[in-house]
Amino acid sequence: GAVVSQHPSWVICKSGTSVKIECRSLDFQATTMFWYRQFPKQSLMLMATSNEGSKATYEQGVEKDKFLINHASLTLSTLTVTSAHPEDSSFYICSAPSSSAETQYFGPGTRLLVL
Amino acid sequence: QKEVEQDPGPLSVPEGAIVSLNCTYSNSAFQYFMWYRQYSRKGPELLMYTYSSGNKEDGRFTAQVDKSSKYISLFIRDSQPSDSATYLCAFAQGAQKLVFGQGTRLTINP
Repeated sequence: GAVVSQHPSWVICKSGTSVKIECRSLDFQATTMFWYRQFPKQSLMLMATSNEGSKATYEQGVEKDKFLINHASLTLSTLTVTSAHPEDSSFYICSAPSSSAETQYFGPGTRLLVL
Repeated sequence: QKEVEQDPGPLSVPEGAIVSLNCTYSNSAFQYFMWYRQYSRKGPELLMYTYSSGNKEDGRFTAQVDKSSKYISLFIRDSQPSDSATYLCAFAQGAQKLVFGQGTRLTINP
């Protein structure tokens, strides 16, 4: 299957700082990517849809000014958690649709811990 | 009514057993049906996907879809300890966002 990478795999930061997470499609192009958040023992919750060359679409209840998404190229989307707080500590996962759009391939995830 | 229902388990079975994982859904517009496996602290890994009713087999895994009953299943034959993970059913409508089940935590005991 297609490969999606994320960087960093884990990050620890102080409260009030910003953290950027990168999501790359390694062997295919993705005009759309998705960002999810997953809390322990819970399922994935979609945060936003990242669209190459246009604004991201955020799910209800997700603050767009706090979770900045940039889809600068057909292989890269970034999620920036601004002014992070301990409640933002979570597992953030991105995905990209297959070329047929019938399914999605997920990155390995980024674990964020805000102290 | 939730759009997707999945028994969260946990489910614990002995090695070699046949495992049956199930999800029900309410949205008739879902076109694609997927099963993902997620190991602890890892991203979900696509196991199987299909878009039609019936069975699809891949090695020890069989995905079953019954659109009339809005019910999908994943069967694992000859289960191995390495199959211990959380299994997520997922649904999609065209190229739209995925809708996930809650995930079933499965443990295969040696």
